[in-house]
Amino acid sequence: GAVVSQHPSWVICKSGTSVKIECRSLDFQATTMFWYRQFPKQSLMLMATSNEGSKATYEQGVEKDKFLINHASLTLSTLTVTSAHPEDSSFYICSASPASDYTDTQYFGPGTRLTVL
Amino acid sequence: GNSVTQMEGPVTLSEEAFLTINCTYTATGYPSLFWYVQYPGEGLQLLLKATKADDKGSNKGFEATYRKETTSFHLEKGSVQVSDSAVYFCALRGAGGTSYGKLTFGQGTILTVHP
Repeated sequence: GAVVSQHPSWVICKSGTSVKIECRSLDFQATTMFWYRQFPKQSLMLMATSNEGSKATYEQGVEKDKFLINHASLTLSTLTVTSAHPEDSSFYICSASPASDYTDTQYFGPGTRLTVL
Repeated sequence: GNSVTQMEGPVTLSEEAFLTINCTYTATGYPSLFWYVQYPGEGLQLLLKATKADDKGSNKGFEATYRKETTSFHLEKGSVQVSDSAVYFCALRGAGGTSYGKLTFGQGTILTVHP
């Protein structure tokens, strides 16, 4: 149980285009979803937290207009990287929690590798 | 802010060897501490956790003890197997302020176990 999927697992796009990444909780309702970014040989950095039906809360330094997050249902959250540039190339990981706060276990997706040419 | 520092890898061991992966942290208050494991092609999975000082988390033969006096949460296993080959992440969950409830990760340690 508690499986989280991400789609696509990897994507290559041209500079200036937008890319959407999906995160789904397959066997539980995810009240809260988290988006992380991981650079090579570095730790995961929390980008934003979203609760179903409400606006995402972004961490300091994360551009809201660049990284659009939508948590439209209890099983799906999407991250859209708008007008992507090479510096946006990274590994994006989502996690989901059945709790409405931060106190419960987070279940992680396998990640999406984004390469912007 | 909160931070987690793990020993750098990669770590390469022979099967049945003893494993230690060091983890130290900096945080305000009393964070909860975690070890996550990531197998190839899969998402991070919770391996073990400890929520207060002197607690010992254990799972699948792995152990880690929450040491507040040394701000450490070192991961140990007495006899590793090839199937333990993975990336291990130490993490803390903030206990107060703007970091409340948020996970802060170390950079990960790659473990490779040879037969």
